[in-house]
Amino acid sequence: AQKVTQAQTEISVVEKEDVTLDCVYETRDTTYYLFWYKQPPSGELVFLIRRNSFDEQNEISGRYSWNFQKSTSSFNFTITASQVVDSAVYFCALSDANSGNTPLVFGKGTRLSVIA
Amino acid sequence: DTGVSQDPRHKITKRGQNVTFRCDPISEHNRLYWYRQTLGQGPEFLTYFQNEAQLEKSRLLSDRFSAERPKGSFSTLEIQRTEQGDSAMYLCASSLAILRGNEKLFFGSGTQLSVL
Repeated sequence: AQKVTQAQTEISVVEKEDVTLDCVYETRDTTYYLFWYKQPPSGELVFLIRRNSFDEQNEISGRYSWNFQKSTSSFNFTITASQVVDSAVYFCALSDANSGNTPLVFGKGTRLSVIA
Repeated sequence: DTGVSQDPRHKITKRGQNVTFRCDPISEHNRLYWYRQTLGQGPEFLTYFQNEAQLEKSRLLSDRFSAERPKGSFSTLEIQRTEQGDSAMYLCASSLAILRGNEKLFFGSGTQLSVL
């Protein structure tokens, strides 16, 4: 069965600090996809990144970076030099490609508060 | 591209009443998903359509819930004989699915249901 665990329920940082959001996943499939979504106060989930299980290269996009490690089943998300606009709930999610039509499974989310 | 729209944004109803929500996906998207999100939790999958066919329903979806996507465009989610436990945010998402599992979902802002 698929499972996504985001152990950090809430994180609070001061603006310009770096912050890492943890994500640990479980799956029996060898081919799967990992995602991060952002849910600002407006409520609409916004796609941030997608990674497939065969691509362990870390990715950087501006102040955002992602560290995918299959050995520890983790897909962590780092925001560098955080800003108040980064305040949101962040969800990690998993989708299996082999086990039939498996829809996206989300973790419980991490609420990030960036204080000016 | 006008995004995924959901109507209404908020619905307050009394226990035992029926409610219906509507979702208009991005026009060229072939898949449409319904998720439910309660406070402090990640979105939970309810059901999804590929074009007009309903391909999967979660065990969370009791007999009181029914969803349709009659012409493969907009979708409705109906809850009959609402219960207080149905209070949640109901999220709709759409995608253009080419490969299994890797699709990027575009979410609407959701319908917040409160059952009194």
